Amino acid sequence: ELKVEQNPLFLSMQEGKNYTIYCNYSTTSDRLYWYRQDPGKSLESLFVLLSNGAVKQEGRLMASLDTKARLSTLHITAAVHDLSATYFCAVVFREETSGSRLTFGEGTQLTVNP
Amino acid sequence: NAGVMQNPRHLVRRRGQEARLRCSPMKGHSHVYWYRQLPEEGLKFMVYLQKENIIDESGMPKERFSAEFPKEGPSILRIQQVVRGDSAAYFCASSPTLVGGFFGPGTRLTVL
Repeated sequence: ELKVEQNPLFLSMQEGKNYTIYCNYSTTSDRLYWYRQDPGKSLESLFVLLSNGAVKQEGRLMASLDTKARLSTLHITAAVHDLSATYFCAVVFREETSGSRLTFGEGTQLTVNP
Repeated sequence: NAGVMQNPRHLVRRRGQEARLRCSPMKGHSHVYWYRQLPEEGLKFMVYLQKENIIDESGMPKERFSAEFPKEGPSILRIQQVVRGDSAAYFCASSPTLVGGFFGPGTRLTVL
């Protein structure tokens, strides 16, 4: 079964703290994406990770990929309130024969408190 | 270059009516994907289309739902005889090739 699991599903953290969101997936992937979604809005692409060991950083967010462990992490450094949103990882599984169909995790709802 | 456009952004229907959701991909994009997001959940794949062809509809409910992407004009997701459980946000994404995808703003369907 092609499955993507995120944890935690809910995360409440204080400003200035660090934390990591985890994304596990069930089988070989060609690409992994991280998206941000604000309430009532569409998805904003944050990162795409293509190969084992890939690391990408943008501001206070850093994403990494370990294809052997089938694990991606999204690390938040010195969180600020503006980062409050729901974060999704999504995978294109190699078994998928149809294009770039994405399988999404359940999402991590992040709340950063002052 | 305008992004992926969807309309309407909000749609209210009564049970039993039809809903038509439109997606205009980015210029030059010939691949369109539709996803559904139920409240408080992640997105679930519904259907993948190229111009005039349905490539993969394995995520579409077997009844009442259909999709098309004609040679000219937007892709359309059609839901017949809507029920309350169809209330959700429907997103489309387009890409020029098999790689990547850009999401539209979504259509939020409410069934009364």
